[in-house]
This record gives sequence, C-alpha cells and structure tokens, in this order.
Amino acid sequence: GAVVSQHPSWVICKSGTSVKIECRSLDFQATTMFWYRQFPKQSLMLMATSNEGSKATYEQGVEKDKFLINHASLTLSTLTVTSAHPEDSSFYICSAKTTSGGALTQYFGPGTRLLVL
Amino acid sequence: GDSVTQMEGPVTLSEEAFLTINCTYTATGYPSLFWYVQYPGEGLQLLLKATKADDKGSNKGFEATYRKETTSFHLEKGSVQVSDSAVYFCALRGSSNTGKLIFGQGTTLQVKP
Repeated sequence: GAVVSQHPSWVICKSGTSVKIECRSLDFQATTMFWYRQFPKQSLMLMATSNEGSKATYEQGVEKDKFLINHASLTLSTLTVTSAHPEDSSFYICSAKTTSGGALTQYFGPGTRLLVL
Repeated sequence: GDSVTQMEGPVTLSEEAFLTINCTYTATGYPSLFWYVQYPGEGLQLLLKATKADDKGSNKGFEATYRKETTSFHLEKGSVQVSDSAVYFCALRGSSNTGKLIFGQGTTLQVKP
C-alpha cells in the first residue's frame, strides 16, 4: 500500500526556536496533504490543508504565522513551528490524499512528537 | 458543522470477548465513514470504511455498518485478541470531496489474556 513518511519522528527543542517537520509520500504523488495535531489521549485535530503550489488552508483558530506550511512538490509538505513554546508540544501527524481506483483515500504518516522545553 | 462522537474509553476486555465501540455522527449530505486504528507508537491505519448507507465495512474480523437512520457506524468484533489493543478512531469525510476527515475522540481498547 501507499506509504507516507515523516521526519523527524522525535524532536526536542528549546523555547523560542523553530522546528521543521517533513511529510513525504514515498510511492505516490499527492496534490493535497493534511496536517493534524493530537494531544495526549485526545483526537486528531485538523490544523490545515496543504495544497501543492498554492497557499495552505488553515482551520479556524490555527495561527498561520506560527505554523508555516509549504507544499513545494507533489511528494513533500513541510510544517514549520516558529518560535516554539512549551504549549506547542504535541504529536503532529500528516496525511496525503490520493485517488486509487476511483476511490479517495488518505494515508497517514507515523507522526512526529515535538517537545518544547 | 460535521462531528463524530465515540463512546468514552478505556474499554477493557478479556481475550475472545465480543467488542462493540459506538460511533455516531452529525453531517449534512452523504458522508463516507471510516474506522482507523492506532497501535502503540505507530501512526493511524485505515481499518475499514463504508461510503453509503447500509454498506458494511469489514477487515481483520472487525465490521461496521453505515446506518443512516440512526446516524451510526458502530465497530464490532466477535472475538478480540490481545493484539487488538490499540486506540480506535471513528471518522467521517463530508460529501464536499475536499478529503478533509473529522475524527471522533478515540476509544482505547485494552485486551487482557
């Protein structure tokens, strides 16, 4: 099946620094990728929809200047958490949308755990 | 807006017990419904799906039926195993075809030998 990777899987950073997380579709092209945030023992909250070659669409309440999304190619989207603070510590998950056999399918990456000290 | 509600966990069962995890939804139009599973330390995996009313999705012994009259998509398995211990998420994708998924809060299943 289709594979989506994320890098890094774990990151610890100091407060005030920026962190970039990569999401790659390894064996298919994805014009649309999604970024989610998951708090401990809670559901996934959609942060934004990343569209190749255009600006991301952010969900209500998500600061676009803090969570910068770049979808520069059909296989790569990046999420940059700028000036990270401890409250940004979370599990960030991306997914990539593809159409296979006429069916719309979304494949998820393994997630990136961010800890801001 | 669209939403998904799951039964709260954790659900603790003995091996070979019957499993039901309730899921109800609110949506306009005709959404597609999904169950995803997240094993410890891993990402989400699609378990099963149903795209229209009365469809039954099934995989690995799990099944769920899309009930439009009760707006439900309950997950069932006749005999659980220890290896089924994971977090289960019910989700819907609206009929707008943006691909956006709305997730329930997740239900943790613990199966004891």
